[in-house]
Amino acid sequence: DVKVTQSSRYLVKRTGEKVFLECVQDMDHENMFWYRQDPGLGLRLIYFSYDVKMKEKGDIPEGYSVSREKKERFSLILESASTNQTSMYLCASTSPHTEAFFGQGTRLTVV
Amino acid sequence: AQRVTQPEKLLSVFKGAPVELKCNYSYSGSPELFWYVQYSRQRLQLLLRHISRESIKGFTADLNKGETSFHLKKPFAQEEDSAMYYCALRGSNDYKLSFGAGTTVTVRA
Repeated sequence: DVKVTQSSRYLVKRTGEKVFLECVQDMDHENMFWYRQDPGLGLRLIYFSYDVKMKEKGDIPEGYSVSREKKERFSLILESASTNQTSMYLCASTSPHTEAFFGQGTRLTVV
Repeated sequence: AQRVTQPEKLLSVFKGAPVELKCNYSYSGSPELFWYVQYSRQRLQLLLRHISRESIKGFTADLNKGETSFHLKKPFAQEEDSAMYYCALRGSNDYKLSFGAGTTVTVRA
């Protein structure tokens, strides 16, 4: 059974904190993605990575950074959390010709 | 730039009625189109992709390059089809996977 696992299901952080969201996949996929999911806005791409140490900005990268030191792990970093980053965060992985597989999501609340 | 537009945020139909979810895209090359579904309390999963040309759970979708559309259809909706549906596009030359805003479908008994 293929797996994309996000480290936390729920997270509550204070404004200004540095926040790390972790994602691990066991399918040897080259590509990994971070999205945020908000009602009425759908899934918006924050960053993606097509190889180790490679990253590209998505549509809404401001306030975020990422790290991909190993093929199976893709981390999303909120440098200084703000209340407008309260959201559901979804990680996904795929190979070039396969479907995307998603994690269960991390609901982040910034207070 | 690539863009996916789902014009309907909410769709409510009666059980047994046809349902159609609209999806339009913009992309300069040859895209790959998908429909993903998210049932209550479950993770997002693939419903179908245009290159496979399959019917999954009674749903079909045809890629119309002239109209740049990939509408999802089912002739007879069932209560278990109630979910959030997302249309997605992957470019032919890159790895970026873009999603629309999603359509929430409610099938009433």
